[in-house]
Amino acid sequence: DVVMTQTPVSLPVSLGGQASISCRSSQSLVHSNGNTYLHWYLQKPGQSPQLLIYRVSNRFSGVPDRFSGSGSGTDFTLKISRVEPEDLGDYYCLQSTHFPYTFGAGTKLELK
Amino acid sequence: EVKLVESGGGLVLPGASLKLSCIVSGFTFSDYWMRWVRQAPGKGLEFIGEIKPDGSKTNYAPSMKGRFTISRDNAKNTLYLQMSSVRSEDTATYYCAKSYFDYWGQGVMVTVSS
Repeated sequence: DVVMTQTPVSLPVSLGGQASISCRSSQSLVHSNGNTYLHWYLQKPGQSPQLLIYRVSNRFSGVPDRFSGSGSGTDFTLKISRVEPEDLGDYYCLQSTHFPYTFGAGTKLELK
Repeated sequence: EVKLVESGGGLVLPGASLKLSCIVSGFTFSDYWMRWVRQAPGKGLEFIGEIKPDGSKTNYAPSMKGRFTISRDNAKNTLYLQMSSVRSEDTATYYCAKSYFDYWGQGVMVTVSS
């Protein structure tokens, strides 16, 4: 299975500040069709995960432009600028290039 | 509006069987692959398996193969997860997810305990 190493485990931030989360995969996530299936989710307390970014850098419908994704191959980053209270929660990366699909262990974004 | 609503969870005895349902609306169910994911209390997300739009093919994570069966009824817009010989380690919230995990249900809790 592809191992997704997500760091940091916990990320204290100030409101209005910036946050950066890393996700590294144990093998390249470039599919044979040329696409890279790396996605980012936010799980707010007591809720189900919600899609933020799909295929590395595409913001899902309704996601503010404060969220941005980047990376390639095995190294990916989610950046959140101007952090707002509703951004707090657990962030997960997911790879769906290789079966079985695997998630990172999560990063808890919390107030400093 | 896309909606996925899971049901069928609860407290079950070790070794028992349980069938979860996921009723969807707001999209053409029969056009999409559907997936199941679970999350043990306080833990991360774990992929269980997936099913093709017409129900003709299923794929399971190796750790889930054998005790979990995914099926669907496109006429009822419903996805299923049959769990058998459940163990304490299966205690988790179970989520159904559409297609490329773009929409998720609210989750249903399954607790395996004697």
